Amino acid sequence: DQQVKQNSPSLSVQEGRISILNCDYTNSMFDYFLWYKKYPAEGPTFLISISSIKDKNEDGRFTVFLNKSAKHLSLHIVPSQPGDSAVYFCAASTGKLIFGQGTTLQVKP
Amino acid sequence: NAGVTQTPKFQVLKTGQSMTLQCAQDMNHEYMSWYRQDPGMGLRLIHYSVGAGITDQGEVPNGYNVSRSTTEDFPLRLLSAAPSQTSVYFCASTNRVLTGELFFGEGSRLTVL
Repeated sequence: DQQVKQNSPSLSVQEGRISILNCDYTNSMFDYFLWYKKYPAEGPTFLISISSIKDKNEDGRFTVFLNKSAKHLSLHIVPSQPGDSAVYFCAASTGKLIFGQGTTLQVKP
Repeated sequence: NAGVTQTPKFQVLKTGQSMTLQCAQDMNHEYMSWYRQDPGMGLRLIHYSVGAGITDQGEVPNGYNVSRSTTEDFPLRLLSAAPSQTSVYFCASTNRVLTGELFFGEGSRLTVL
């Protein structure tokens, strides 16, 4: 029973364009939603989060949107840069953190 | 500041062998957890601890044991390794349990033959 799902295993975008990564969840009790970024041979690092009482949070080039009625969140990266190429995990928290399967983003120069 | 340190980084075991993955953090975090990462499965929570002397099961606890005798250390024990436990293991800690902002170690790659 996957409570957090990322249905797109991979995404490829051109440098300078927008990257949109999507995530769906099933548990309406989640308090916080987060995005983590992971480079090969490294541990995941926290990128951005959003509380369940908000619908948008922005940090520089990264914006997370939350649609509670659809149980859907997305991460927008504008503009995308080659250094953004990594695996992105969405996660949801009720005091313990549950992760999605990850989406591999490739930003082409 | 070392952060979260995991040892060993790589390990090969034979089926049935036991071993312990070590995790230590120097940030005085109360919450610590273990995840495994498998292709197509993302990061799955194995066990977690909200403080010394307290542990609980995550999504995939079978075949693993944990203990938390100190705030700094949270070892993960494989009692009788199986090929299905071949994975990359990550330890993480935080003092922000509700918001979920975890600090991860670099990972331990385990292969069970």
